[in-house]
Amino acid sequence: AQSVAQPEDQVNVAEGNPLTVKCTYSVSGNPYLFWYVQYPNRGLQFLLKYITGDNLVKGSYGFEAEFNKSQTSFHLKKPSALVSDSALYFCAVRDLDTGRRALTFGSGTRLQVQP
Amino acid sequence: DGGITQSPKYLFRKEGQNVTLSCEQNLNHDAMYWYRQDPGQGLRLIYYSQIVNDFQKGDIAEGYSVSREKKESFPLTVTSAQKNPTAFYLCASSIDVNQDEQYFGPGTRLTVT
Repeated sequence: AQSVAQPEDQVNVAEGNPLTVKCTYSVSGNPYLFWYVQYPNRGLQFLLKYITGDNLVKGSYGFEAEFNKSQTSFHLKKPSALVSDSALYFCAVRDLDTGRRALTFGSGTRLQVQP
Repeated sequence: DGGITQSPKYLFRKEGQNVTLSCEQNLNHDAMYWYRQDPGQGLRLIYYSQIVNDFQKGDIAEGYSVSREKKESFPLTVTSAQKNPTAFYLCASSIDVNQDEQYFGPGTRLTVT
């Protein structure tokens, strides 16, 4: 079975400060990991993904994520937060070694960036 | 414009009625997906389709049905058997089922009273 956990319902950060949104995953094989962002009353937008290679993945809008196999984590980071980054963020995983051909999403973390 | 369209944006129905949510894509993607979003629960997969005339149940398929007669279209029917149908429904597509970079539609908010 594949699962993903986002332990924080909400993260608050001041504009200009670094931000981290946490994600841990569980798969029996090798993970394929994603971050998506959702603005109010909209669909999700792809931010970045990890399948193999460099553990630090760079994505859209200055976001990056670090894959840590030993900690089974894929935390989303940004060096300097913007008010416009305020949104709902979802981590997702697929186990590359099982037959399930669809992503499992976390429950989401609301990021609030204060001016 | 290329993308995924879902209509209508808001939908209201009385309990006991079936309702069909539309999802159309012009991205020439093989794979399409339906998710349900509830507050605090993230997205849960209802059904997905890898190719025309094929679809698989997701995690919460009970009370829902789908069809995939055309590549561009993947309508979702919420039947009267679905116990808690009020939710935000999101449709997505990807190039194929192995390409998990999914493109999402704007969603349909269904309210059943």
